[in-house]
Amino acid sequence: QVQLVQSGTEVKKPGASVKVSCRTSGYIFINHGITWVRQAPGQGLEWMGWISPYNGQINYEPKFQGRFTMTTDTSTSTAYMELASLTSDDTGVYYCAKIDFGTPDDWGQGTLLTVSS
Amino acid sequence: DIQMTQSPSSLSASVGDRVTITCRASRDIGPYLAWYQQRPGKVPKVLIYTASTLQPGVPSRFSGSGSGTDFTLTISSLQPEDVATYYCQKHNSAPHTFGPGTKVETK
Repeated sequence: QVQLVQSGTEVKKPGASVKVSCRTSGYIFINHGITWVRQAPGQGLEWMGWISPYNGQINYEPKFQGRFTMTTDTSTSTAYMELASLTSDDTGVYYCAKIDFGTPDDWGQGTLLTVSS
Repeated sequence: DIQMTQSPSSLSASVGDRVTITCRASRDIGPYLAWYQQRPGKVPKVLIYTASTLQPGVPSRFSGSGSGTDFTLTISSLQPEDVATYYCQKHNSAPHTFGPGTKVETK
C-alpha cells in the first residue's frame, strides 16, 4: 500500500536550517506530485508548496519563497524540504503528502520541528 | 492571492444531527475545492475533492456541494467519530490555500 515515511523530530536554534525527508513507497513516484503542509501548535493547516517529481515543476507559497526549497530524488522515491533562517514561528508539524486529483490523498506521519534558543 | 474563509469556526451538535459547514473563496475557483477531516492528534484525511467527489472509503453521510465562490460540506447524521476539525482547500492553481478550519464537537 502507499506509504510516506518522514524523518524524525528536529530541534533547531533560530537562524539555522532544517531538512526533512519523505520516503515514499507503494506507487509510481514520478506519477504524482508531492506537497508540503505545516501546522503550528494548536493552529490550522498551512500549504507550503508543491513539486512534481516527473519534471521538477515547483510552486511555492509566496510567504516561504526564498527560504524554502523542495527537491526530489527519483532514484530513492524520496522528497525533501529544506527551510532556512528558522524562527520560533516555524515551530510546528511538517507533513508531506502525495497528490492525486489535485489534492493530498496520502500523508506522511508528520515531522515535529521545534525552533528554540 | 485568493483567500478562503469558513463558517462557523466551531459548532456543537448532537449525534444524529445534520451538520453543515460553509467555505467561501474570495474569487471564483470553479469546482476545485477539497474538504479534509483532522481528528485530534491525527493526520489530515481528504474527504471530498472537486467540490462533490467523495474520496473512496469515506462514509456516504459526508457530501459536498458548490461551485465558484461558495461551497458546503454536509454531514447528514453526525457520529461520535466525526468529532474533528474540518478544513477546506482550493486546489485549482497555486497557492493551494486552506481555510481556517471548523471544529465540530458533540453535545
